Amino acid sequence: SQKIEQNSEALNIQEGKTATLTCNYTNYSPAYLQWYRQDPGRGPVFLLLIRENEKEKRKERLKVTFDTTLKQSLFHITASQPADSATYLCALDPSGNTGKLIFGQGTTLQVKP
Amino acid sequence: EPEVTQTPSHQVTQMGQEVILRCVPISNHLYFYWYRQILGQKVEFLVSFYNNEISEKSEIFDDQFSVERPDGSNFTLKIRSTKLEDSAMYFCASRDGRVDTQYFGPGTRLTVL
Repeated sequence: SQKIEQNSEALNIQEGKTATLTCNYTNYSPAYLQWYRQDPGRGPVFLLLIRENEKEKRKERLKVTFDTTLKQSLFHITASQPADSATYLCALDPSGNTGKLIFGQGTTLQVKP
Repeated sequence: EPEVTQTPSHQVTQMGQEVILRCVPISNHLYFYWYRQILGQKVEFLVSFYNNEISEKSEIFDDQFSVERPDGSNFTLKIRSTKLEDSAMYFCASRDGRVDTQYFGPGTRLTVL
């Protein structure tokens, strides 16, 4: 069956450290994968998109990797801050062209001062 | 920066009543979506809409649901006869077609009593 999975356990880290979140998928061949941030009671906010032919993408303190062989994407936040505390969602478009997004359940990150 | 807006932010209704959730997508966007998120669960795709018609819908989007773009700015989701299990956050999203990024609204919390 098709699945997209993220660590369901919350990730607690100390301020200043690097947070690494994992997204694994099964029986999909996505052309791209997206990462969103979601705060409680709010809508997802787009962070980064990485395509299948890109190994890595960066935006300020954020870095995403995409390994189509392992069927995995890693999302890194360097020099983490308490304001980075949120739930991070990965999402993919199974068809590659309709925009229908399938989301993982999200990983909650807590950055402690 | 342009953003997707949704109204109302919270809607409480009795089971069996009709509700209409409203969205104003970003003005030059061409593709529109509705998603829902039951409390504590994943964001789930409901329907995509392009060129004044539904392009894809999920199994959740049954005959009780309909979407409409009544004018050049609004995009609505109607639930004809609400059920208790329709209680969720409903998110509208849009994209412009040149890029794959979807921009989400803040959501409408629907509570069915």
